[in-house]
Amino acid sequence: QKEVEQDPGPLSVPEGAIVSLNCTYSNSAFQYFMWYRQYSRKGPELLMYTYSSGNKEDGRFTAQVDKSSKYISLFIRDSQPSDSATYLCAVLYNFNKFYFGSGTKLNVKP
Amino acid sequence: DGGITQSPKYLFRKEGQNVTLSCEQNLNHDAMYWYRQDPGQGLRLIYYSQIVNDFQKGDIAEGYSVSREKKESFPLTVTSAQKNPTAFYLCASTRGSTEAFFGQGTRLTVV
Repeated sequence: QKEVEQDPGPLSVPEGAIVSLNCTYSNSAFQYFMWYRQYSRKGPELLMYTYSSGNKEDGRFTAQVDKSSKYISLFIRDSQPSDSATYLCAVLYNFNKFYFGSGTKLNVKP
Repeated sequence: DGGITQSPKYLFRKEGQNVTLSCEQNLNHDAMYWYRQDPGQGLRLIYYSQIVNDFQKGDIAEGYSVSREKKESFPLTVTSAQKNPTAFYLCASTRGSTEAFFGQGTRLTVV
């Protein structure tokens, strides 16, 4: 079983739509939960991170963690064509090992 | 500007050759990581280093080697023992324990 499972997509939505990206993880010992955005042929960049169950908001982005069901989500409101990228969820174990999901490719159509 | 610099951006390797990928950071981060990214498989950890002169194998270390002689530098050598080296390689470093910052990657192709 992989440490982090992520829907691969691809996901195609019209501009202005609300996007929901989801991951599940296997180990309740994971401490931090992160979302990265990766544009084609570039390195991932950190969008958000959180360590507790609940929601964390940053502009149009909301990260949600449900530790009881080992489920993490990223919501994008009012999606823009510039949001088109691959989104990677990640978890941190033992403060020194990151595990990444396989990524969901998102395309926001103008 | 602080950041992580990977070079070269593109690298071609002949069968049986060793090649070295460079990773330099000026963020004063202690920990550095090497990941391999293949389509549909996400990032897989090759090696990581928490401090100078110390490093640990990740999940797919076979066929790779690293060194950490300076805090700023963490080069990765892809040896001839790595049978399927064509991939996108990413170097990262961490501030504290939670935020990983990535370089722009090196795309390695076997010719």
